[in-house]
Amino acid sequence: DGGITQSPKYLFRKEGQNVTLSCEQNLNHDAMYWYRQDPGQGLRLIYYSQIVNDFQKGDIAEGYSVSREKKESFPLTVTSAQKNPTAFYLCASSSNSPLHFGNGTRLTVT
Amino acid sequence: DQQVKQNSPSLSVQEGRISILNCDYTNSMFDYFLWYKKYPAEGPTFLISISSIKDKNEDGRFTVFLNKSAKHLSLHIVPSQPGDSAVYFCAAARGTASKLTFGTGTRLQVTL
Repeated sequence: DGGITQSPKYLFRKEGQNVTLSCEQNLNHDAMYWYRQDPGQGLRLIYYSQIVNDFQKGDIAEGYSVSREKKESFPLTVTSAQKNPTAFYLCASSSNSPLHFGNGTRLTVT
Repeated sequence: DQQVKQNSPSLSVQEGRISILNCDYTNSMFDYFLWYKKYPAEGPTFLISISSIKDKNEDGRFTVFLNKSAKHLSLHIVPSQPGDSAVYFCAAARGTASKLTFGTGTRLQVTL
């Protein structure tokens, strides 16, 4: 059963700590994306990768980092430099098709 | 700069009636448009798309209309059902393989 797995569903961290959100897909999609959802602001693109070992900044990349060492995996690190890290994070993938989303990780930083 | 706008944050429609969700865009380079549906604490799911070479695309109860001159698209749901209650996001891209720019979403509530 193909899909995108984001783990964990809920994540809590103290301010000043880096945290890595996991995203794994078994859809054999080439491209992967990270979006962030905040109330009233829709989905905003953080980073995306169209092939392994390559990625580009999206609209709000500051304070985030990614890696794409394997086709199946696209982890997102929220660093202490991100000023407002509390949000709902969504990972997606596609291959010349509409984006397919995971079920998200809600990160709360206090 | 919000390139894709959904000016109605919420919409309430009676079951069986038509729901019309609207979306405007400013970037004339966008040529591929999509609608996604999202339930709380879940990822968005793809509903329907339209390419700029068309002005209408239909899939069951869902129809998307595109007015390129007005840079406007709309999603019609007929008849509306309680299970349609969700947040609907409009998205746009330059080409089918490109990254998507999303609107802010419209929360649809279908009442009995």
